[in-house]
Amino acid sequence: NAGVTQTPKFRILKIGQSMTLQCTQDMNHNYMYWYRQDPGMGLKLIYYSVGAGITDKGEVPNGYNVSRSTTEDFPLRLELAAPSQTSVYFCATQGETGVQYTEAFFGQGTRLTVV
Amino acid sequence: GDSVTQMEGPVTLSEEACLTINCTYTATGYPSLFWYVQYPGEGLQLLLKATKADDKGSNKGFEATYRKETTSFHLEKGSVQVSDSAVYFCALSDSGYSTLTFGKGTMLLVSP
Repeated sequence: NAGVTQTPKFRILKIGQSMTLQCTQDMNHNYMYWYRQDPGMGLKLIYYSVGAGITDKGEVPNGYNVSRSTTEDFPLRLELAAPSQTSVYFCATQGETGVQYTEAFFGQGTRLTVV
Repeated sequence: GDSVTQMEGPVTLSEEACLTINCTYTATGYPSLFWYVQYPGEGLQLLLKATKADDKGSNKGFEATYRKETTSFHLEKGSVQVSDSAVYFCALSDSGYSTLTFGKGTMLLVSP
């Protein structure tokens, strides 16, 4: 059971370049999230999705875009990379059990450096 | 808005020492509370959770009790091991919402 798979694991971008961070899940969860983790700052929510075709901004959405065309995939797009986007990015999923939500399941992360 | 405050690290302990990592929260509703652990080079994984006041979550020798009166969810372990070295995150999910609010994380370093 793969769970949540993120690619790539590492990437170095030049300022102004663009890239897409991929996230795929095989857990059939409706809820998917993108977080960024900066040293000593915990995790900040970038975007989230409650199902295919539905996305919404989190706490720090500027400079990013997302789409959710299928339940399985939730790519994160950086259009014009900036040094401030150097971070570790985590994708997560969450399911529902009746009236409650399951725990969040995280991918291994993508370490992005913008130079 | 919701927030989580946890003690800053690193916390450095010798093997078999007792551990407490403090966590307090602010929430508008009746949140569920979580502790996640992140081992080096890996993503976060759930350690334990509690969904209502006075619940105690426990796993792998760790435990935490949901204290509504003090808005706290402190993580405790009676005897730590070198393999417990990791970063620990306290988090909450407010009632009716799935998104998690995280604390800044506390690094635990356990030496033999």
